[in-house]
Amino acid sequence: DAGVIQSPRHEVTEMGQEVTLRCKPISGHNSLFWYRQTMMRGLELLIYFNNNVPIDDSGMPEDRFSAKMPNASFSTLKIQPSEPRDSAVYFCASSLKPLAEAFFGQGTRLTVV
Amino acid sequence: SQQGEEDPQALSIQEGENATMNCSYKTSINNLQWYRQNSGRGLVHLILIRSNEREKHSGRLRVTLDTSKKSSSLLITASRAADTASYFCATDANSGYALNFGKGTSLLVTP
Repeated sequence: DAGVIQSPRHEVTEMGQEVTLRCKPISGHNSLFWYRQTMMRGLELLIYFNNNVPIDDSGMPEDRFSAKMPNASFSTLKIQPSEPRDSAVYFCASSLKPLAEAFFGQGTRLTVV
Repeated sequence: SQQGEEDPQALSIQEGENATMNCSYKTSINNLQWYRQNSGRGLVHLILIRSNEREKHSGRLRVTLDTSKKSSSLLITASRAADTASYFCATDANSGYALNFGKGTSLLVTP
């Protein structure tokens, strides 16, 4: 397996634009997580899916953020409209089951100018 | 919210020396995991220790867990320049399903 695949690797966008980040988890993994990493706040859990169903989205900063998992092999994180404070590295991770070893993608570095 | 907090924030040692990093957490856990992150890359799982275990080894890595003190330590023996990275502890407390990470320890190993 190629591991967790995220795209794009880098995204630069202007404030107010919509941004969509994509993730393909490892086949067979039932748990999918979106994290955000910044120097100030470290790694923050944004949302957790189990079997494609969002279980906990309490970490989503505000209504500008939304995430979907239409099937077991694809998830998106959308920010609309984007703001400069959204600049961060966004990671997708998957695991066989909750609390098991998590496999991380390479991340998407988002810069909002 | 951060559950695990690593200490020290930064550590600089020479090749061949041992590196010890500590992690403290606040509430009861099912397991604790350590991850490594090279600059500009994703996190890579190193080792998982369950709440009923006290020590675990994997190659040059040794992890201890003291649930009474709510703390864990990661020891890297005979460090190499390639061990230079950030190291994070992660716990499942408060959620029961997702990992909460600390801010990490930045390790620099110089030749």
